[in-house]
Amino acid sequence: SQTIHQWPATLVQPVGSPLSLECTVEGTSNPNLYWYRQAAGRGLQLLFYSVGIGQISSEVPQNLSASRPQDRQFILSSKKLLLSDSGFYLCAWSLGGAGEQFFGPGTRLTVL
Amino acid sequence: QKEVEQNSGPLSVPEGAIASLNCTYSDRGSQSFFWYRQYSGKSPELIMFIYSNGDKEDGRFTAQLNKASQYVSLLIRDSQPSDSATYLCAVHSGGGADGLTFGKGTHLIIQP
Repeated sequence: SQTIHQWPATLVQPVGSPLSLECTVEGTSNPNLYWYRQAAGRGLQLLFYSVGIGQISSEVPQNLSASRPQDRQFILSSKKLLLSDSGFYLCAWSLGGAGEQFFGPGTRLTVL
Repeated sequence: QKEVEQNSGPLSVPEGAIASLNCTYSDRGSQSFFWYRQYSGKSPELIMFIYSNGDKEDGRFTAQLNKASQYVSLLIRDSQPSDSATYLCAVHSGGGADGLTFGKGTHLIIQP
C-alpha cells in the first residue's frame, strides 16, 4: 500500500529565514505530486504540482519554489519567509484516474 | 476563476440523524467531485468521489451529483459523534494532473 510522509511536522521560523519542507511517497511509482497550503480561515490553495522528475507547475506566484529531485520526493522551499507564509502545508499524491488525491500528514508552519 | 462554495456552518445534527452537506461549483467543465473529511489539526482524508450524475453510496455515505445545477452533496446516515469534522468539497477539471479546487469546508457537529 502507498504511504506519504512529510517532515517536519511543525516548524516555527523567523521572518526572512529560509524554508525547506520535504515530502516522500512510498509504494508507488511515477505519482503526480502536489503542494497545497491551508491558511487560517481559508480553503486549501494549490501551490505547485509535478508530473515527473524536474517538472514543476506553479499555480500561485509567490516567494515559494518547489523541486522534484527524485520520482517520489517533492520539496517546497523559500529563500526568505514572510509572515503571510504561515499555514498548514500539505503534500498530496495521485496516479491520475478520476483525479483523486491522497494527503500526507502536513507541516504546520508558523512564521514570527 | 474556478470556485467551489460551501456553507461554513457549523451544522449541528443529532446523533443517529441524517447529515446533509452541500456544495456548488462554478466551472461547468468540471469532471470529478470529491468529499474529504478533515479533523481539527489533521490532514484531509478522502471519503468519496463521484463523476456521474446521480447517487453513489458507500456504507453510511451517499454522494449526489447534479451537473446541470452544478451541485454536489454528501449525505451521512446514522450520524455518529465521530463524524464531527470539517467536510471539504473538491472539484477536478479533468485536465489530467491538475490540482483540485477546494471549498472552504462545512463544520459538522454531531450532538450525542
